[in-house]
Amino acid sequence: DADVTQTPRNRITKTGKRIMLECSQTKGHDRMYWYRQDPGLGLRLIYYSFDVKDINKGEISDGYSVSRQAQAKFSLSLESAIPNQTALYFCATSQGIYGYTFGSGTRLTVV
Amino acid sequence: GDSVTQMEGPVTLSEEAFLTINCTYTATGYPSLFWYVQYPGEGLQLLLKATKADDKGSNKGFEATYRKETTSFHLEKGSVQVSDSAVYFCALSPPDQGGKLIFGQGTELSVKP
Repeated sequence: DADVTQTPRNRITKTGKRIMLECSQTKGHDRMYWYRQDPGLGLRLIYYSFDVKDINKGEISDGYSVSRQAQAKFSLSLESAIPNQTALYFCATSQGIYGYTFGSGTRLTVV
Repeated sequence: GDSVTQMEGPVTLSEEAFLTINCTYTATGYPSLFWYVQYPGEGLQLLLKATKADDKGSNKGFEATYRKETTSFHLEKGSVQVSDSAVYFCALSPPDQGGKLIFGQGTELSVKP
């Protein structure tokens, strides 16, 4: 099994729908992150969590929310999806700055 | 704020050619610098890193040197292979921010046989 597992791998949803992307890890890392990848823009940080009780907004948190259900689980929600949220979403974990592990990504399309 | 700028892609090279992907950064203090690689359909993997000025990171034939005076961290490889085809991301981690990474926009490399 992968160290960082994202589900679903692909999702098509309609404008206005609520959608949750899930991330689980077996690395035992305290820190978890959600990034969004868009062509030509690289990866941008949406939310990050240093432990279960510590959740912080990244540079593009508007329209998103997160939940850290346990050390190993960190989910990202789009309360009311819009087309410009179409992107590739990555979950990552780390223990310090040198040990980032990324999931394989969730490709989300909002129509 | 802190930022990373990479040369635009796509970059297309023939096998065994020399590779340079430029990366410059803006940051306060002394960030750590990284190169990540993303193969098709996969997440990002750490390629190499440097944590202080004049450090050279290296891995799998790739190298990059942390140049504080030019705020640069250019990626180089002497002889690329078809298997090096991927998207390469330069990134920095600002000091005292708990390990957040700030990424450049990525540079796609395509190596032809």
